[in-house]
Amino acid sequence: DVKVTQSSRYLVKRTGEKVFLECVQDMDHENMFWYRQDPGLGLRLIYFSYDVKMKEKGDIPEGYSVSREKKERFSLILESASTNQTSMYLCASSLLDRNTEAFFGQGTRLTVV
Amino acid sequence: AQSVTQLGSHVSVSEGALVLLRCNYSSSVPPYLFWYVQYPNQGLQLLLKYTTGATLVKGINGFEAEFKKSETSFHLTKPSAHMSDAAEYFCAVPPGYALNFGKGTSLLVTP
Repeated sequence: DVKVTQSSRYLVKRTGEKVFLECVQDMDHENMFWYRQDPGLGLRLIYFSYDVKMKEKGDIPEGYSVSREKKERFSLILESASTNQTSMYLCASSLLDRNTEAFFGQGTRLTVV
Repeated sequence: AQSVTQLGSHVSVSEGALVLLRCNYSSSVPPYLFWYVQYPNQGLQLLLKYTTGATLVKGINGFEAEFKKSETSFHLTKPSAHMSDAAEYFCAVPPGYALNFGKGTSLLVTP
C-alpha cells in the first residue's frame, strides 16, 4: 500500500518558534509538494520539489522554506512561526508525468499561539 | 495559467438523490483534470481523472465525470447519494508539476 506519511497530525507551537514539518513517501516519486489548506480557500501550493536538492516556489512561499536532502523526504520549515500560519498542511508526492495522480498524507493541523 | 472554478461551496442532497458537483476549467488546450475527495480529518484521495480518450470517466464509489470541451466543464456526478459520500470535493488541473485546486465543494447528505 502506497504511503505518504506526515510526522505529526496535530502540532501546537508558540509565535516565533522555528517549526519543522516532515513528510516521507515510500513510492520513489520524483515530485513532492507542500500545500496549505484553509476554509474557503482550498489548497494553495507553498513549495514543491522535482528532485533531490531542487525546490520551486509555489503560490504562497513567504514565511516558509523547504529542504529535500533525500528523495523520499521533504521538509517544510517555518522560520519564525506566526499566528497567521495556523492552518492544515498537506504533503503530497507524484511521479514526474503530469497525468499521474498525487498521493497525499493525512495532514498536519498546526496551531500557532 | 490553467485553473479551475468550482461552483457552489456547499451542496446539500437527500440520501438517494442525484449528486452534481460543478467544475469549469480555463484553458485553450484540453488539459488533464482530476477530482479528489477529502473525508473529515483525512488527506485527499483520487476519485477519478481525465487524461485523453473517453470523455466519460468512471471513478471510485460510483462517481463519474464527463469532460465537455465545448463547455470547458468537468462536472462530477453520482446517481444516488449515500450518507458516506459526505465530504469535501476538489477539482484540480496540473499546469506544471503541481496541481491547481479549486476552492472545494462541501457535500452534505441528509437522511
